[in-house]
Amino acid sequence: GAVVSQHPSRVICKSGTSVKIECRSLDFQATTMFWYRQFPKQSLMLMATSNEGSKATYEQGVEKDKFLINHASLTLSTLTVTSAHPEDSSFYICSASGRKGWAQYFGPGTRLTVL
Amino acid sequence: GQQVMQIPQYQHVQEGEDFTTYCNSSTTLSNIQWYKQRPGGHPVFLIQLVKSGEVKKQKRLTFQFGEAKKNSSLHITATQTTDVGTYFCAGEERGSTLGRLYFGRGTQLTVWP
Repeated sequence: GAVVSQHPSRVICKSGTSVKIECRSLDFQATTMFWYRQFPKQSLMLMATSNEGSKATYEQGVEKDKFLINHASLTLSTLTVTSAHPEDSSFYICSASGRKGWAQYFGPGTRLTVL
Repeated sequence: GQQVMQIPQYQHVQEGEDFTTYCNSSTTLSNIQWYKQRPGGHPVFLIQLVKSGEVKKQKRLTFQFGEAKKNSSLHITATQTTDVGTYFCAGEERGSTLGRLYFGRGTQLTVWP
């Protein structure tokens, strides 16, 4: 149980375009989903926390207009990187939790490369 | 703000040796969780500790949560090559309403056969 999928796994795009990443909890209802960014050989940097049906809470320093998060249902959250630039290239990972204080189950991640 | 420090950053051991990684939080935690990330993979949940002084075991892995709920450790006995990966601790701050975790920077374990 507790499977989280993420799509796409890899995406290459041109600078200035927007990219949407989907995160789905496949076998449980995720009241909260988290979006992280991970640089090579580094820890996970939390970008935002989203609860179904409400606006996402962004961490300090994360531009909400650049990283649009929508948590449309209890099984789906999307992250849209708008007007992507090469410095946005990174590994983006989502996680989902069924309840506050419970374990987070991570998706397989999306490798974004902006040319 | 909340900080979770984890040491060491890297650990290289010979197969059969023990391994320990330590985690320390700047604030009291409601719970601490441990994750393992294999090279090229994503973090996988290992365990959650909630109670002060709690000790949990999973086969060769022993997890401890400090009495003050500010530090934790993961100990692996007799490492195997399958233990290779990065181990992250992640703490949830006491009183947090969002349930977000603060991750340590991880300990990258290499095991030589």
